[in-house]
Amino acid sequence: GEQVEQRPPHLSVREGDSAIIICTYTDSATAYFSWYKQEAGAGLQLLMSVLSNVDRKEEQGLTVLLNKKDKRLSLNLTAAHPGDSAVYFCAVSVNTGNYKYVFGAGTRLKVIA
Amino acid sequence: EAAVTQSPRNKVTVTGGNVTLSCRQTNSHNYMYWYRQDTGHGLRLIHYSYGAGNLQIGDVPDGYKATRTTQEDFFLLLELASPSQTSLYFCASSDLGGRTGQLYFGEGSKLTVL
Repeated sequence: GEQVEQRPPHLSVREGDSAIIICTYTDSATAYFSWYKQEAGAGLQLLMSVLSNVDRKEEQGLTVLLNKKDKRLSLNLTAAHPGDSAVYFCAVSVNTGNYKYVFGAGTRLKVIA
Repeated sequence: EAAVTQSPRNKVTVTGGNVTLSCRQTNSHNYMYWYRQDTGHGLRLIHYSYGAGNLQIGDVPDGYKATRTTQEDFFLLLELASPSQTSLYFCASSDLGGRTGQLYFGEGSKLTVL
């Protein structure tokens, strides 16, 4: 089945710097790609999602890049601020007939003021 | 805003105990999911459903049963709880499965098995 690896597991950046998180996946038929943010004690909130026919998407200081050749998905937080401190997860959607989501292991981001 | 409510939020039981985690979504979503979250593993899919009476097996189903009684309600059952099932459990719902990429999550249920 689909395997998703996410790195790094921990990331610390200074306020105003960029933070980059990368996921690699194994199934070339993966259809949909998402990034979620989890703040302490809460569930996951969707940040951004892209279809497999999209290479790049930017929204509100976030950039998602999809490289289907290398099976790599990345999230770039430009100009990070302390409110971005959280755990970030990538999730990919595999078509098994009913669609299910496979998550990366998460990246704990700390933005230092 | 989609609403997914889980109960209980915290549960402590002993090995061999019987536990039911409940999830209700009020947005008429077809798909519902149960995940467990463990450090180093991210979220792993236990069971999911695309409608009342339907059940699909996820990636880590051993030791868990699930039942979707209505479109709103999805239950996770641990009939003989073991310490390895100590975890944070999340329920999620989605209106179109993986086609939109948006899962709506509950706040989580922390289960401790002693």
